Amino acid sequence: NAGVTQTPKFRILKIGQSMTLQCAQDMNHNYMYWYRQDPGMGLKLIYYSVGAGITDKGEVPNGYNVSRSTTEDFPLRLELAAPSQTSVYFCASSYGGAAAISGANVLTFGAGSRLTVL
Amino acid sequence: DQQVKQNSPSLSVQEGRISILNCDYTNSMFDYFLWYKKYPAEGPTFLISISSIKDKNEDGRFTVFLNKSAKHLSLHIVPSQPGDSAVYFCAASRTGNQFYFGTGTSLTVIP
Repeated sequence: NAGVTQTPKFRILKIGQSMTLQCAQDMNHNYMYWYRQDPGMGLKLIYYSVGAGITDKGEVPNGYNVSRSTTEDFPLRLELAAPSQTSVYFCASSYGGAAAISGANVLTFGAGSRLTVL
Repeated sequence: DQQVKQNSPSLSVQEGRISILNCDYTNSMFDYFLWYKKYPAEGPTFLISISSIKDKNEDGRFTVFLNKSAKHLSLHIVPSQPGDSAVYFCAASRTGNQFYFGTGTSLTVIP
């Protein structure tokens, strides 16, 4: 059972370049999330999706775009990379809000993608 | 604005003793809380959850306590083991959609 798979694990970008971080889950989860973690900080929500075709902004969406064409995939796009986007990015998925009633709404995280913008 | 706060960046505990990790939140509408454990170079892994209808939830060595009036939750690990050494994050949500995370507490269990 793969869970949540993120690629690439590491990437170095030059300022102004663009790239896409890939995320796929095989648990048939409805909800998917992108977080970033800066040194000494908690995880900040960038974007999330409650189902295919539906996305919404989180706490720190500027400089990023997402799409959700399938239940399984939730790519994160950086259009014009900036040094402030140097971070570790985590994708996560869950069954969704209603599952919280039964205590089943648990976020499952990928292993992370470390991005450096120089 | 940090809605979930973990004011202790680090904690050291002797093996076999109790570890208590604390978490405070500001939004009284939060009704679902999670604790995660994170090792270096790995994604966070789920430990234990609690909903606002409860004030305590146990799972083996891990117990989470929720004090809604104080907007405070804590994670107790008894007995602490060296393998528990990791960064612990608490997270809170309203209706289980957006989860807000604290900044983490690095726990070191000394053998």
